Parts: sequence; structure tokens; C-alpha cells
Amino acid sequence: DIQMTQSPSTLSASVGDRVTITCRASQSISSWLAWYQQKPGKAPKLLIYDASSLGGGVPSRFSGSGSGTEFTLTISSLQPDDFATYYCQQYNSYSRTFGQGTKVEIK
Amino acid sequence: QVQLQESGPGLVKPSETLSLTCTVSGGSISSYYWSCIRQPPGKGLEWIGYIYYSGSTNYNPSLKSRVTMSVDTSKNQFSLKLSSVTAADTAVYYCAAAARSLAPLEYWGQGTLVTVSS
Repeated sequence: DIQMTQSPSTLSASVGDRVTITCRASQSISSWLAWYQQKPGKAPKLLIYDASSLGGGVPSRFSGSGSGTEFTLTISSLQPDDFATYYCQQYNSYSRTFGQGTKVEIK
Repeated sequence: QVQLQESGPGLVKPSETLSLTCTVSGGSISSYYWSCIRQPPGKGLEWIGYIYYSGSTNYNPSLKSRVTMSVDTSKNQFSLKLSSVTAADTAVYYCAAAARSLAPLEYWGQGTLVTVSS
């Protein structure tokens, strides 16, 4: 089973900051990785797919990179609407796995 | 735009079977891979399994012995059954759709809370 490890678990940042979240896979998943944003009481929303492709309607301040086992999600300039929890998810194998999540808090 | 709506019992007794139905609108059930995901209160997301309209399934190995998913193409619905539930199965249960087997979860339902308690 492929394990996904995100870091950090919590991140405190200010509006305008550049923010980076890392996701590591326990084995190579090529580029079969997605990033989701979840706000309290809401379903997750797809931000990035295939490691670096922007989801529909997602602002360009969000970007993803990486392949193999190391991936990053970057928010170039944090906006008030971006305070949320972010999850990575692999879809390389028949079994899907999420990372444990990274909560982005207001500093 | 595909829309999903979960319907479930709200409350299930320990040792019983949890049943969840997901109704699909705005798209054909034969066009996507349909997943169930859960999220215990205050915790992260856990993928439960997926089903294709043909009936082909894949389940999370940690839940495989207790999970059954099925699809009803005539009603544009798919279903989850989770047997022998305990308090650890208390969670918000989501339905979601992926366009292919190697694709992210593009569409999500709003989720429904299922509590396991006597």
C-alpha cells in the first residue's frame, strides 16, 4: 500500500506570504497526484491534478510540482480565502491514499 | 456538471451494517469511476473504495473485508455497505467522481454524517 506523508501538519502564515506544502509518497507514483482544499463543514475541492495541472476555476496563485515521490503545492501570495486544510492524494495504484493534511492558519 | 447527493441513516447501531446511497445527476453513471471517502470528526480523509458502472470495484485494503459497493444504472445511483460497524466508523461520508481510473476526484457530494452509537 502506498503511504503519503505531508509536511508540515500546521502552517501559520500571513496574507501575502508565499506558502509551500510538501507531500512524499512511499514509492514512485509518477505524476499521479492531486491536491485538494477543504474548508470547515465543506467537501474537498480539487486544486491540482497530475501533479502540476490547475483544476478548473482555480486561481493561478496555486501551483504544483514534482514527480516520483516528492511533490509540492505552492501558493504564491496567500489570500484570506486560502486559509483552509490541504490534502494530497495519489491515484497511481488501484488503491487511493490521502496525506494526513496541512492546516494553513492565520499568523 | 456532475452533482452527487449522499443519503444515509444518520445513526447506526454497533455491529450493524451502514448503508449509504449516492445519487448522480447532471451526468451518466457510465461515464465516471465512483468513489466513497470518509472523514471522522476532526480528522483527515480516508478513501474507502471505488466502483465502475460495469461493477468492477477496488477497495481500501484496511476496510476490504467489511466493504461492498454496488451500482444501479437504472436509477443513476451507487451504494456503499460497511458491515460490523463500531464507533470508529463514525464519520462524514462523501461520494465523489473521477473521469478515469487514473484520475483525481473531480466532483464531490456535500457529505453526510453517520454516527455509530447504541
